[in-house]
Amino acid sequence: AQSVTQPDIHITVSEGASLELRCNYSYGATPYLFWYVQSPGQGLQLLLKYFSGDTLVQGIKGFEAEFKRSQSSFNLRKPSVHWSDAAEYFCAVGGKNTDKLIFGTGTRLQVFP
Amino acid sequence: DAGVTQSPTHLIKTRGQQVTLRCSPKSGHDTVSWYQQALGQGPQFIFQYYEEEERQRGNFPDRFSGHQFPNYSSELNVNALLLGDSALYLCASNRLEGLAGGISYNEQFFGPGTRLTVL
Repeated sequence: AQSVTQPDIHITVSEGASLELRCNYSYGATPYLFWYVQSPGQGLQLLLKYFSGDTLVQGIKGFEAEFKRSQSSFNLRKPSVHWSDAAEYFCAVGGKNTDKLIFGTGTRLQVFP
Repeated sequence: DAGVTQSPTHLIKTRGQQVTLRCSPKSGHDTVSWYQQALGQGPQFIFQYYEEEERQRGNFPDRFSGHQFPNYSSELNVNALLLGDSALYLCASNRLEGLAGGISYNEQFFGPGTRLTVL
């Protein structure tokens, strides 16, 4: 079955601390992987994506993610979190010849000053 | 350049009623997808429209139907509303392009959503 698991429902970090959000996927074909961010009242904004090639991908707002095929993971990282990063983060998987995305249940990030 | 727009922003209906939600894609995009996001959940794919036809469909009942117009805008219709249909409905657009050997993936841009409440 195709699925995405985000084990952490809620994460709290201090401003300036590092961040890692976990994502595991199950997908029958070659996965295309994405991280989106959703702020209250806003739509989803794409942070980064992985299709192939270098397994460490850089995204917007200083985020990066690493694809590990052996672990079926695509964890999101940021070296130093800013208060404006507080939002809901979604990992998603798709594939070639389809635009259908399968999303995880999200991780809510809270940032303390 | 306007992004993806959706209307209305909020909507309140009662059980059994019918609702129509609207989406205008980002300029240059020809494909529209609809997602349902229940409270505390990730978005779930409902269906996608391309060239005025349903191209893909997720695991949603026939009460959910859609339409795409020649200007690429789209409507999502839900009949016989249930309490469980209360959710944020997101529209996403992209441009479908073909490459040798398959269809490439183009980034989907999401609208702000329509919040539907069924009482």
